[in-house]
Amino acid sequence: TQLLEQSPQFLSIQEGENLTVYCNSSSVFSSLQWYRQEPGEGPVLLVTVVTGGEVKKLKRLTFQFGDARKDSSLHITAAQPGDTGLYLCEVPKGFNAGGTSYGKLTFGQGTILTVHP
Amino acid sequence: EPEVTQTPSHQVTQMGQEVILRCVPISNHLYFYWYRQILGQKVEFLVSFYNNEISEKSEIFDDQFSVERPDGSNFTLKIRSTKLEDSAMYFCASSEAGSSSYEQYFGPGTRLTVT
Repeated sequence: TQLLEQSPQFLSIQEGENLTVYCNSSSVFSSLQWYRQEPGEGPVLLVTVVTGGEVKKLKRLTFQFGDARKDSSLHITAAQPGDTGLYLCEVPKGFNAGGTSYGKLTFGQGTILTVHP
Repeated sequence: EPEVTQTPSHQVTQMGQEVILRCVPISNHLYFYWYRQILGQKVEFLVSFYNNEISEKSEIFDDQFSVERPDGSNFTLKIRSTKLEDSAMYFCASSEAGSSSYEQYFGPGTRLTVT
């Protein structure tokens, strides 16, 4: 079974629409990060969430960590073509609550987002 | 802004050949990592490196793989005898420290094609 399940795997929308991407697991995480990866480039960190129920905003992007720290969502408002890319959720090695992280990242399979002008 | 660089951007090699992928991490970073991403699949951890030794490796990182920090700036991944299934994007990353509170900065990747 996958440690992290992301959904949907593919999302194709028109400019101006809103969307939500989900990252779920049966495990509890000490922290969770969202990355964005463009074709031919490495992942770039968008945000880290640590506290259950935490909400962080990054311009039109809103990230939420579930109360139980088992899941997270990424919501994009009024999507633009520049938002097109692969969105990855990731947890460090120490994914159990109170565990120690040694820096190894475990990624979900990602959501490929295409925003059409 | 400092960044991780990788060379070459694309390497084509024949099955059975040795390849060395090179990375220059950010200068004040102490932890170095290699990840790979097979086309259409997720990014997978290969190995982490600190203080001139491997701190952790995944099951993918078998005896065909090795890493080295030959000097104060480069970090290399060597694949001794490439297989077709080694074809992937290989990403190097570095961080100031090894805990999850320190962001890993990724390089642009090297696309390895084994024919």
